[in-house]
Amino acid sequence: DIQMTQSPSSLSASIGDRVTITCRASQGVSEYLAWFQQKPGRAPKSLIFAASSLQSGVPSRFSGSGSGTDFTLTISGLQPEDFATYYCQQYKNYPYIFGGGTTVEV
Amino acid sequence: QEQLVQSGAGVKKPGASVKVSCKGSGFKLTDYYIHWVRQAPGQGLQWMGWINPTTGDTNFAPNFQGRVTMTRDTSINTVYLELSRLRPDDTANYYCARGGSGQTNFWGQGALVTVSS
Repeated sequence: DIQMTQSPSSLSASIGDRVTITCRASQGVSEYLAWFQQKPGRAPKSLIFAASSLQSGVPSRFSGSGSGTDFTLTISGLQPEDFATYYCQQYKNYPYIFGGGTTVEV
Repeated sequence: QEQLVQSGAGVKKPGASVKVSCKGSGFKLTDYYIHWVRQAPGQGLQWMGWINPTTGDTNFAPNFQGRVTMTRDTSINTVYLELSRLRPDDTANYYCARGGSGQTNFWGQGALVTVSS
């Protein structure tokens, strides 16, 4: 199985900050990489697919980059509603594995 | 308004089976693949597999092979996840999500299954 490692596992940030979360795959996944946001008690929400393509309705302050083994999710100008846990997921090879999550806290 | 509405939450005894449903509203499930993902309390996300509602084809994660069944009833725009031989560590929120065979773009609200004697 491909292992997905996110860092950091948690971070503290303030409104307006630029936040960067990284995701590393144990082997290359090309650009078959998605990002999700999850708030407590809620279902995950799809943010990005194909490493850098925004899902419909996702604010443009979210961006994704990378290919192969190293990927980044960036939030440019953190908003109050962005405090949440973020997960990456590879969908290049079965089984589709998620990263362990990164919690963005105040 | 497009929705995935899940049902089937509840408490099950070890060794029993559970069947969770996922009903599409405002769109046809047959236009997408439906994935199942679970999340144990306080833990991360675990992909279980997908079903192609058009063909009935399925793909399961190895961890669940032999215990999981995914089926569909296109007449009522619904897919089902059944997990057998339940163990306490199967306690989780079970989510359905629509998308392609890879990425997903829209999730149901989840169904909490608790396995306890």
